[in-house]
Amino acid sequence: DTAVSQTPKYLVTQMGNDKSIKCEQNLGHDTMYWYKQDSKKFLKIMFSYNNKELIINETVPNRFSPKSPDKAHLNLHINSLELGDSAVYFCASSISGGSSTDTQYFGPGTRLTVL
Amino acid sequence: DAKTTQPPSMDCAEGRAANLPCNHSTISGNEYVYWYRQIHSQGPQYIIHGLKNNETNEMASLIITEDRKSSTLILPHATLRDTAVYYCIVRVLNNAGKSTFGDGTTLTVKP
Repeated sequence: DTAVSQTPKYLVTQMGNDKSIKCEQNLGHDTMYWYKQDSKKFLKIMFSYNNKELIINETVPNRFSPKSPDKAHLNLHINSLELGDSAVYFCASSISGGSSTDTQYFGPGTRLTVL
Repeated sequence: DAKTTQPPSMDCAEGRAANLPCNHSTISGNEYVYWYRQIHSQGPQYIIHGLKNNETNEMASLIITEDRKSSTLILPHATLRDTAVYYCIVRVLNNAGKSTFGDGTTLTVKP
């Protein structure tokens, strides 16, 4: 059973398009996250949701809009895709965002390539 | 969150212990030390965490110095599948689980 799953695994699209990446966790966790890993392999947090409520929003262009229909899902919608958006996007979840003893479980990643 | 410093790369012979150091000299009293690893093309994987006592689980051991300014992750019997980037992270209480991943250490286990 996959704990944190993401779809699609690969996404190739043209500049200017709008695309979505979906994430689901079956761990019963309260908090979900989106991270971006660029070509230099630096992993940077983008968003965090706790029980469907946005709690972290790093300096991310407003072309990126996360949506959490329920606490098991956190989707990422990207408008007007740019070349610089090419990266691997990781979803993660944890039991509670309010404790530093919680551990994060990551999905397999979605490799986005913008042409 | 406290900044961490790790060597960019290390090699280890298969079957030997891999000792990965991490410096976190500005760690606060309420910050935990976490270790994750990322095997090529996969998502990061949690390994172990601790506050001030040494910890051991089925994957690894974590040794934290008494002053908590540095720690060492020990993989007791490294295998080829342990080749990965290892991240040392320190996290503040009640920060919504925000983990700052640095550059990590690329561990290469060689036969």
